[in-house]
Amino acid sequence: DVKVTQSSRYLVKRTGEKVFLECVQDMDHENMFWYRQDPGLGLRLIYFSYDVKMKEKGDIPEGYSVSREKKERFSLILESASTNQTSMYLCASSLLGAGNTIYFGEGSWLTVV
Amino acid sequence: TQLLEQSPQFLSIQEGENLTVYCNSSSVFSSLQWYRQEPGEGPVLLVTVVTGGEVKKLKRLTFQFGDARKDSSLHITAAQPGDTGLYLCRAGNNRKLIWGLGTSLAVNP
Repeated sequence: DVKVTQSSRYLVKRTGEKVFLECVQDMDHENMFWYRQDPGLGLRLIYFSYDVKMKEKGDIPEGYSVSREKKERFSLILESASTNQTSMYLCASSLLGAGNTIYFGEGSWLTVV
Repeated sequence: TQLLEQSPQFLSIQEGENLTVYCNSSSVFSSLQWYRQEPGEGPVLLVTVVTGGEVKKLKRLTFQFGDARKDSSLHITAAQPGDTGLYLCRAGNNRKLIWGLGTSLAVNP
């Protein structure tokens, strides 16, 4: 079965802390994505990667960075967490191509206090 | 800017009722997908449509892609509480993907 695993389901961090959200997929997918989801704003793409060490900015990359050192792993980093980054973060993966299925993890609920 | 508009934004109905939700755009897409997201979970693919006028059925769910490939509808017959969730449409051309904001459906027993 296809699986995207996010390392943390719930996190509470303090303002200014560095936060790492890890994501692993077991499907040998080329594409990996990080989204945040907020009520009324839908799914917003932060970054995506189509290959190891390759990354492209999405719609809201400010305040975030990513790392993809291995094909199966895509990490989202908040260099200095702020309260406006409190959100649900979703990792996803897919094969190359716009029409392919996107597989999501269960999500990571981050609260920054 | 390509946009996908979903309507209605919220829908609360009784078990057994029928409903239709819509995903509209002014742009033409090569494919369109519908996902359902249950509370506290990530979205899961329901269907992909690629041909203008295409109709696909998934048990009580019927999906239609517009003839011009600019819009799509999802019809649920005899809704059940298990249909509760956020219904999202997603469309794309090449590597550019866009999502609608979703229709939040609540089916009350």
